[in-house]
Amino acid sequence: DTGVSQDPRHKITKRGQNVTFRCDPISEHNRLYWYRQTLGQGPEFLTYFQNEAQLEKSRLLSDRFSAERPKGSFSTLEIQRTEQGDSAMYLCASSSGRFYEQYFGPGTRLTVT
Amino acid sequence: GQQLNQSPQSMFIQEGEDVSMNCTSSSIFNTWLWYKQDPGEGPVLLIALYKAGELTSNGRLTAQFGITRKDSFLNISASIPSDVGIYFCAGMKTSYDKVIFGPGTSLSVIP
Repeated sequence: DTGVSQDPRHKITKRGQNVTFRCDPISEHNRLYWYRQTLGQGPEFLTYFQNEAQLEKSRLLSDRFSAERPKGSFSTLEIQRTEQGDSAMYLCASSSGRFYEQYFGPGTRLTVT
Repeated sequence: GQQLNQSPQSMFIQEGEDVSMNCTSSSIFNTWLWYKQDPGEGPVLLIALYKAGELTSNGRLTAQFGITRKDSFLNISASIPSDVGIYFCAGMKTSYDKVIFGPGTSLSVIP
């Protein structure tokens, strides 16, 4: 499978715990994006990398959130001290940069209890 | 907040009918994208539009990029049960920009 992959697909955690999600983009894509989607809404942009450089962060990305893409390949999104409001689907997308199309992974569904 | 509006919010149609849905924006986009999302999955890209006035087809799907660059529509012909899902329009300003999504149109197809 050469699409975008995300791990885990589902995560249930207790409030206050830290969680980390991983995204593996399509192999030749140099741009990687993170989005968050709550029930009944479209995805909302969180942050974007070109290679290993994080070039833009949304106001939605509070200081409890951090994202990395250390070698310009896979990326991780960490949420510290999770809150119930963090419950959402976290989506990763990648693009080649030459073209506008972003291809999405299956998402990680986070539930904070 | 989100800058895109989609109509209708939801649709219930009979199998075999044609479907039309619209998307409008408060600002200009240089690219329009249409995605379909199934429950528990990520959005899947259906059609990408790059030029004002462009009309593009993908099988039974046809989408158009509005002349004003502030709107787009998607048509689905001869709907089938697997067309069920949520359809999102999305806009981009540049090739490296974030995607701005609309709130979605939920489509239900009655066999």
